[in-house]
Amino acid sequence: DTEVTQTPKHLVMGMTNKKSLKCEQHMGHRAMYWYKQKAKKPPELMFVYSYEKLSINESVPSRFSPECPNSSLLNLHLHALQPEDSALYLCASSQDQGLNTEAFFGQGTRLTVV
Amino acid sequence: QKEVEQNSGPLSVPEGAIASLNCTYSDRVSQSFFWYRQYSGKSPELIMSIYSNGDKEDGRFTAQLNKASQYVSLLIRDSQPSDSATYLCAVDSNYQLIWGAGTKLIIKP
Repeated sequence: DTEVTQTPKHLVMGMTNKKSLKCEQHMGHRAMYWYKQKAKKPPELMFVYSYEKLSINESVPSRFSPECPNSSLLNLHLHALQPEDSALYLCASSQDQGLNTEAFFGQGTRLTVV
Repeated sequence: QKEVEQNSGPLSVPEGAIASLNCTYSDRVSQSFFWYRQYSGKSPELIMSIYSNGDKEDGRFTAQLNKASQYVSLLIRDSQPSDSATYLCAVDSNYQLIWGAGTKLIIKP
């Protein structure tokens, strides 16, 4: 089973709203990732958690706040977003952050900021 | 700046023919190479991984790696209309995936 589950599938939020994206995997993977993808562009890495600790933050604005409550869950808290933050947000997981580890993606959350 | 280069396409291939997708990378010490397929509006799906020089076959898909020349390719045999998608090459560099921009593949019935 290579399933990563993301909720919600679609989200429309205003610039003053606070919302959260959720991601769950039960493959025993110890690395989890948040990516942002704009249309016709490759995924852009935002955050990496390794063994529940934040290991990479790609200079993401503070209006995006990640959280890893346990080894199976990853959240992305959103606050005061801008219309240009509208994108497909992808969660992925891999066995760990080492070499030769395959990353599997969830189905994504399509976010629209109005 | 580590880079992964792909021809953006679109690459148009007749149904039943072989589709050949290519990718070059700049980081000489990269060890892991991945091909993902992405349908429009969907998330990337891992279809092949390759770590050693040579060919790796999985069904209709063959990945080819040449570390000396720093390129990796994906061959799709007996192409089907359902293979029409964007194919993303990803290369491990310093424990992060560096992504190519993707090649759009169109299989014409």
